[in-house]
Amino acid sequence: LAKTTQPVSMDSYEGQEVNITCSHNNIATNDYITWYQQFPSQGPRFIIQGYKTKVTNEVASLFIPADRKSSTLSLPRVSLSDTAVYYCLVGAFNYGGSQGNLIFGKGTKLSVKP
Amino acid sequence: DTGVSQDPRHKITKRGQNVTFRCDPISEHNRLYWYRQTLGQGPEFLTYFQNEAQLEKSRLLSNRFSAERPKGSFSTLEIQRTEQGDSAMYLCASSLGQGIQYFGPGTRLLVL
Repeated sequence: LAKTTQPVSMDSYEGQEVNITCSHNNIATNDYITWYQQFPSQGPRFIIQGYKTKVTNEVASLFIPADRKSSTLSLPRVSLSDTAVYYCLVGAFNYGGSQGNLIFGKGTKLSVKP
Repeated sequence: DTGVSQDPRHKITKRGQNVTFRCDPISEHNRLYWYRQTLGQGPEFLTYFQNEAQLEKSRLLSNRFSAERPKGSFSTLEIQRTEQGDSAMYLCASSLGQGIQYFGPGTRLLVL
């Protein structure tokens, strides 16, 4: 799985839009980009997944440029409850290979202040 | 609730004791994964099953660790002769094929 680089921490205020960028220079053709959210003492929660351009769901948007060497998770109008660690992962999640494990980095610790 | 469940949620044990954790995946998911997470780190892969077959093991999975998924449904992770270094959150995830992995709430282990 490709290695990812993301900021260690970010601060924001309630109501702001937060953008977390992840670099994945060695992404492979079959790799998808997936983001998870994790609250303390809970398991990671799937947020969004994409392959190229833009993906949006009820929680977030994911922007992926044409070269796919980076991606940006966008959280609109964050609230205090969005304070969590956010992990960016790349891998062939939808490819019929034998390897299935996810490789997590340390993630980005987002702190939302009132 | 049809998500991944884990039992127990917390376990305190003394060094040298054996512990066993259980994971119940989402019912239609054929893949089940175990991860370990220590404080301030992301989850680290331990092993995974496709149906009842254990297909991959991490080097983190020492010979004191064993995992089973006898009928391709729930799985157990056993740690024998626990050590203080085994203290961590043990996470289970499941997926349909190599699709999105959904995680359970985890079992927090403290070895005294």
